[in-house]
Formats: sequence, structure tokens, C-alpha cells
Amino acid sequence: DAGITQSPRHKVTETGTPVTLRCHQTENHRYMYWYRQDPGHGLRLIHYSYGVKDTDKGEVSDGYSVSRSKTEDFLLTLESATSSQTSVYFCAIKGTGVYFGPGTRLTVL
Amino acid sequence: GENVEQHPSTLSVQEGDSAVIKCTYSDSASNYFPWYKQELGKRPQLIIDIRSNVGEKKDQRIAVTLNKTAKHFSLHITETQPEDSAVYFCAASTGMYSGGGADGLTFGKGTHLIIQP
Repeated sequence: DAGITQSPRHKVTETGTPVTLRCHQTENHRYMYWYRQDPGHGLRLIHYSYGVKDTDKGEVSDGYSVSRSKTEDFLLTLESATSSQTSVYFCAIKGTGVYFGPGTRLTVL
Repeated sequence: GENVEQHPSTLSVQEGDSAVIKCTYSDSASNYFPWYKQELGKRPQLIIDIRSNVGEKKDQRIAVTLNKTAKHFSLHITETQPEDSAVYFCAASTGMYSGGGADGLTFGKGTHLIIQP
């Protein structure tokens, strides 16, 4: 499982509240990614990081921000959650291939 | 940006038969093409990948072929078994070759493979 954990694994929140998802890796990988998965859309890249404090936007970055202050942690923040951000969020790392964490199921009511 | 099309969206085959899933990509700079298997409620798992300097790669019952000229690649599963039932995703990237790049993967929308007993 490439040493990737995500927390929380499930979260229910209300529209307008801030939410932070955490991805933690234990194998010192440089590249980390956040994807969201929705029915009919597959997996779409939100943001990625290529090192500590180095991040960039992906395909669906509106409404999301990220931070990476340590190699092992990559945080995804929804500043003001909306119902359209109800999704399953996967963190991933790049090693010899791209490997995914277990996912976080987020419901915004 | 890159666009990946995947077909079919659903594929039903008899146990023991072969299954083929096809993907096309738009960016000729793409050089890395992985395939993922995702069971219900689980994370996508990398099952096989191919880089642009190779035309075919096999791993036991699964194989991937790549046609760079036509910009398409395919997943072949032979002697299908019930445990092959899952959703399969193809993806493409311009940044994976030789370990370089950080721009992530662009995914197809997935194929639901059903193995009929």
C-alpha cells in the first residue's frame, strides 16, 4: 500500500464549513497528488506537490487549496465546503508508478 | 490538456473468455500509460503499466499494448475469473518517463467488467 494513510476516512459536514483532509506517507516520496472520484467522471486531479512548499493546480482546483510543510504530509483544504464537493478523495504518491491511499469519503450537506 | 477516452463503459464476458478494454489519448507527448483495477469501496490499484518506448507488456493473464501512431492503448485479460470483476481505469501522463515530471495522470472514465459464471 506504499505507506499511505488518509484521515479522516469518512466525514460529513455542512455547506460553508472549512474542511481539511490529510495525507501521510512514510516512504519519503517527493511527488504527491490529490484526486477526486465521482460517478461518471473517473478520477480527476485537484492539486499536486513536487516537494516541500512546492505545489501546483490540477484540472479541478477551484475551491481547494493545499499545503505541504513536511515531505510526509500533504493537506487538502476546502475553505468553504459546497455540496458539489461531495466526493471520494484519494491521495497518491509517485514511486515506480502512481499509488493511491485508501480514500476519504466526504459528504457536504 | 490531455484527454483520455475509454471504451466500453461496461463489458460482460463469460468466465474463461478474454476481455479487451480500449483507450485513446490526445496528447502525443504522453509517455506513460498505467491501468488500474478498482473494486467496490476500495482504492484504485495499479495492475500494469507501459512506457512509450515499448509496444507490449505482459504479466501473467494481463497484457497491455500501445500504438503510439494511432494514440491508443489496450488492456487484455485472458482466461477471465470471477475475481477479475471490477472497474478498470486507463490513464496517461506526459511526466512519468524516467521518473521525471509531476503533472499527474489523466484518467479515462472507467470500464465496469462483469465476469459471468
